Amino acid sequence: DTAVSQTPKYLVTQMGNDKSIKCEQNLGHDTMYWYKQDSKKFLKIMFSYNNKELIINETVPNRFSPKSPDKAHLNLHINSLELGDSAVYFCASSQGSGSQPQHFGDGTRLSIL
Amino acid sequence: GIQVEQSPPDLILQEGANSTLRCNFSDSVNNLQWFHQNPWGQLINLFYIPSGTKQNGRLSATTVATERYSLLYISSSQTTDSGVYFCAVEEYGGSQGNLIFGKGTKLSVKP
Repeated sequence: DTAVSQTPKYLVTQMGNDKSIKCEQNLGHDTMYWYKQDSKKFLKIMFSYNNKELIINETVPNRFSPKSPDKAHLNLHINSLELGDSAVYFCASSQGSGSQPQHFGDGTRLSIL
Repeated sequence: GIQVEQSPPDLILQEGANSTLRCNFSDSVNNLQWFHQNPWGQLINLFYIPSGTKQNGRLSATTVATERYSLLYISSSQTTDSGVYFCAVEEYGGSQGNLIFGKGTKLSVKP
């Protein structure tokens, strides 16, 4: 009965590859987010979607492309992976795009060799 | 943009002790949330507290929005309280849902 689930939990790949991370929430929320946590534990928002519509698009390289097929899913595709992309990526969700509590998945640890 | 500062950066406690973590922010906010990242990396939402005081078991939080700070109190600490505590704010007038995180307070509770 996981609320926000991400797959895979770990992702190890070579520089230059393309990879995707999937996120699903069963909380009935209509807003989903992607965050990046770097090696110093600093958390920064990347994107948010409300009812499949892009709301927040922070300064993120074009190699990162989010896709929301429905309001329960938000996937993150990354092209041409670079060493600096190594991080933990968290998906989160909330009810409404306004000021509401956000609930996080367990994270995907991406390691670029 | 808004600045979020947490103190102390590190805290070591003996089991059973009480502690207070502080979050200062540089501008008006729509909301403020406290999170606990446990040693396994999971981020747990502890409080959604744009103003006022809330309590949940041994944890309580107070936000004084007019003075731009929030406090997280942990009483009778347990080893399971170890981890990093993050404060995150949504800047007033900023993108809704855009949480700005502080750098966290790393708490270690010794048995």
